[in-house]
Amino acid sequence: NAGVTQTPKFRVLKTGQSMTLLCAQDMNHEYMYWYRQDPGMGLRLIHYSVGEGTTAKGEVPDGYNVSRLKKQNFLLGLESAAPSQTSVYFCASSPGGGGGANVLTFGAGSRLTVL
Amino acid sequence: AQSVTQLGSHVSVSEGALVLLRCNYSSSVPPYLFWYVQYPNQGLQLLLKYTSAATLVKGINGFEAEFKKSETSFHLTKPSAHMSDAAEYFCAVGTGGYQKVTFGTGTKLQVIP
Repeated sequence: NAGVTQTPKFRVLKTGQSMTLLCAQDMNHEYMYWYRQDPGMGLRLIHYSVGEGTTAKGEVPDGYNVSRLKKQNFLLGLESAAPSQTSVYFCASSPGGGGGANVLTFGAGSRLTVL
Repeated sequence: AQSVTQLGSHVSVSEGALVLLRCNYSSSVPPYLFWYVQYPNQGLQLLLKYTSAATLVKGINGFEAEFKKSETSFHLTKPSAHMSDAAEYFCAVGTGGYQKVTFGTGTKLQVIP
């Protein structure tokens, strides 16, 4: 099993450009998440989804949009990139069901630089 | 809102010494607590989790953590550090109906030969 796959792994954008990060999981997980990781700030939740066709905002949703049209995919979009969005982005998925069952499986990360 | 606080962004230990990484949580309901590890240029992976079945939780690679409700703590320990333990460690808490998982800011562990 591939687990959680993120595409692309690296990307450089200019301010104002748009892009989409793709996350795919093959574990039939219900929940999916997008986090960003910045030095000294740990992981902060951007958006998440608890099922196909549903999305919800996390701690830092501004400047990002998401979609979950298929259960296995969770897309993160930046409509107009800003230098403050330079970060490493992690996608994660979990079986859901709450509590201790909510163990996250992470992708390898996507490093985004906005110039 | 639920949160976790990790004391010490960097910890250095000698090889063979005790590893102690501190985590305190804040939660208005019984928490579910996790420790994840991140090796350089990789995603996070689960070390162990607390789900109220037992207060002392054993994880992979010889790590364990003890849930102490009176101290609102979930510190991670390992009796003897190995060079391969050098990584960043994150404490996390299940929140908001347990759909969301909130992470601490992480502790980088350096193991000195």
